[in-house]
Amino acid sequence: GAGVSQTPSNKVTEKGKYVELRCDPISGHTALYWYRQSLGQGPEFLIYFQGTGAADDSGLPNDRFFAVRPEGSVSTLKIQRTERGDSAVYLCASSPGRNSGNTIYFGEGSWLTVV
Amino acid sequence: AQSVTQLDSHVSVSEGTPVLLRCNYSSSYSPSLFWYVQHPNKGLQLLLKYTSAATLVKGINGFEAEFKKSETSFHLTKPSAHMSDAAEYFCVVSGGSNYKLTFGKGTLLTVNP
Repeated sequence: GAGVSQTPSNKVTEKGKYVELRCDPISGHTALYWYRQSLGQGPEFLIYFQGTGAADDSGLPNDRFFAVRPEGSVSTLKIQRTERGDSAVYLCASSPGRNSGNTIYFGEGSWLTVV
Repeated sequence: AQSVTQLDSHVSVSEGTPVLLRCNYSSSYSPSLFWYVQHPNKGLQLLLKYTSAATLVKGINGFEAEFKKSETSFHLTKPSAHMSDAAEYFCVVSGGSNYKLTFGKGTLLTVNP
């Protein structure tokens, strides 16, 4: 497809389990972002990749959260020892580069529920 | 540092009447400003963006917004609401870092027949 693709669209997991969320950006986009949207809130920045490297991970809430982008395309957000407070929609986005004039395109999100 | 305040959490209008969604921003840098729309169970879609060109920005679906530096505002308007406009709208700012978007809390637009 032409847009940002995220899988799974929905995930229910038990507290304490490990979760992986996948993002496939728009082809050719070098910049990739992860955001988290809690119920009733706007999305909040988690991490930004330029190519393969995490240029800014200052939004990751704690060391249970980790993200990789080994080949500069697909990215995986990994959450260890999930907690009920991790329940949210995790949004992935991509753009051609980091220029402020570039439009950032969002995927439809992965809805994570921790029970 | 940058922040966004959306002044109304919920706006309700009748179909065919004007829409006004209010947004104020704060940024240490010359900002880029955006409005995104989110329909239920759908991804965020860019409506329009301001990046220091013309202060009146036209977007998709008849929406437009005006950047007013003196008022630090970027309000979203549409002359005539349509039922399909019902959605959550987010005002967004990016600043010196360019890549990091800061979202407002959103305004839920309801359109009544």
